[in-house]
Amino acid sequence: SSEVTQDPAVSVALGQAVRITCQGDSLRGYFTNWYQQKPGQAPVLVIFAGNNRPSGIPDRFSGSSSGNTAFLTITGAQAEDEADFYCSSRDRSGNRYVFGPGTKVTVL
Amino acid sequence: EVQLVESGGGLVKPGGSLTLSCAASGFTFSTYTMNWVRQAPGKGLEWVSSISSSSDDIFYADSLKGRFTVSRDNARNSLYLQMNSLRAEDTAVYYCARDQLTSTIVARALRYYPYMDVWGRGTTVTVSS
Repeated sequence: SSEVTQDPAVSVALGQAVRITCQGDSLRGYFTNWYQQKPGQAPVLVIFAGNNRPSGIPDRFSGSSSGNTAFLTITGAQAEDEADFYCSSRDRSGNRYVFGPGTKVTVL
Repeated sequence: EVQLVESGGGLVKPGGSLTLSCAASGFTFSTYTMNWVRQAPGKGLEWVSSISSSSDDIFYADSLKGRFTVSRDNARNSLYLQMNSLRAEDTAVYYCARDQLTSTIVARALRYYPYMDVWGRGTTVTVSS
């Protein structure tokens, strides 16, 4: 099965930038999607197809990639950005989604 | 308003069965692929299954080993997940999510990239004796 890895946790000072990393061979074939999940809530899509923001998502969220690694950057982190972030792509068959284990972002 | 509402969760004994439902509203349900995603307590997200708009293409996570069956009723704007031979490790919040596609040109070829853009609030399944 495809494996995707993420750093378990990162912290960022209020107003500063933070970059979250997602790594895996499956990321070479498909753009990565990113989801934000706050405690007790459903996931929310924040970036799709690598670097696209859905309507309503602040422009401080951006996505990029290089080789088998995808990045989610929060520029000017706000207190409300504190959450778990999951990257997602497709497996080698292209028929199944795979999720990373998630990164807990703490805003100090 | 685009909305997905899951129901049918509850407490079930190991080896038992349960069927989850997801009611869709605010969009043309019959034209979208739909997904089930679950999250065990304190754990990450795990994709479970997807079903195409016409039910022609159905996929499952390998870990389910044929115990789950996904279906849909486009006339009722509803998605279902029948779960059999339930185990303690199936305990989770189960979300339904709408599938979306975007396209872009890569190496002069049009490629499609899927993502899940709308999620329900989830329904909790607890498998315990």
